[in-house]
Amino acid sequence: AQSVTQLGSHVSVSEGALVLLRCNYSSSVPPYLFWYVQYPNQGLQLLLKYTTGATLVKGINGFEAEFKKSETSFHLTKPSAHMSDAAEYFCAVSVSGGGADGLTFGKGTHLIIQP
Amino acid sequence: GAGVSQTPSNKVTEKGKYVELRCDPISGHTALYWYRQSLGQGPEFLIYFQGTGAADDSGLPNDRFFAVRPEGSVSTLKIQRTERGDSAVYLCASSLGKGREQFFGPGTRLTVL
Repeated sequence: AQSVTQLGSHVSVSEGALVLLRCNYSSSVPPYLFWYVQYPNQGLQLLLKYTTGATLVKGINGFEAEFKKSETSFHLTKPSAHMSDAAEYFCAVSVSGGGADGLTFGKGTHLIIQP
Repeated sequence: GAGVSQTPSNKVTEKGKYVELRCDPISGHTALYWYRQSLGQGPEFLIYFQGTGAADDSGLPNDRFFAVRPEGSVSTLKIQRTERGDSAVYLCASSLGKGREQFFGPGTRLTVL
């Protein structure tokens, strides 16, 4: 079984500041890792994913994340926050082998951008 | 092209009633997933279809929940004898297969009174 822990249910940053959203996972097999964003009254949208290969993954809207196996982490960063980044962010994990493909999500982090 | 669609967008029912929630995946997507999102929580996996068969139904909470995908496209999630604790947003997603990006629909908000 796998699990995801997102540290901080709410994160507040100033516009233009660094965004760092933390995600740690637990998985008994090599994981696939994802970050999704959910804007108010909209569906979940994939920001980026790690499956294999390069551990630094770049996504949409200037976000990136680094898979660190030794730390079991997949933290999401963006160098400069924009007001439009305000949303709920979810980290998720699935397993790379076997027949299962469902995502296990963290509880989410609400990102607040201060003007 | 059209994304994942779900109907109805909202469903209000009474405790003990039966409900059906429908998902239309993106055309050509062989994999389909159902999730449930309670207020303030992340989505919780329910079931995953590959084609017409349920490849993984380990997330269904009990035997009141059942899902079908008879022709490998549209799927219906069926909930019998609804309980107030079933109130949540039910999300459907589809993808081209295992490990590929899952595209989510807007969800059906189910309220059990």
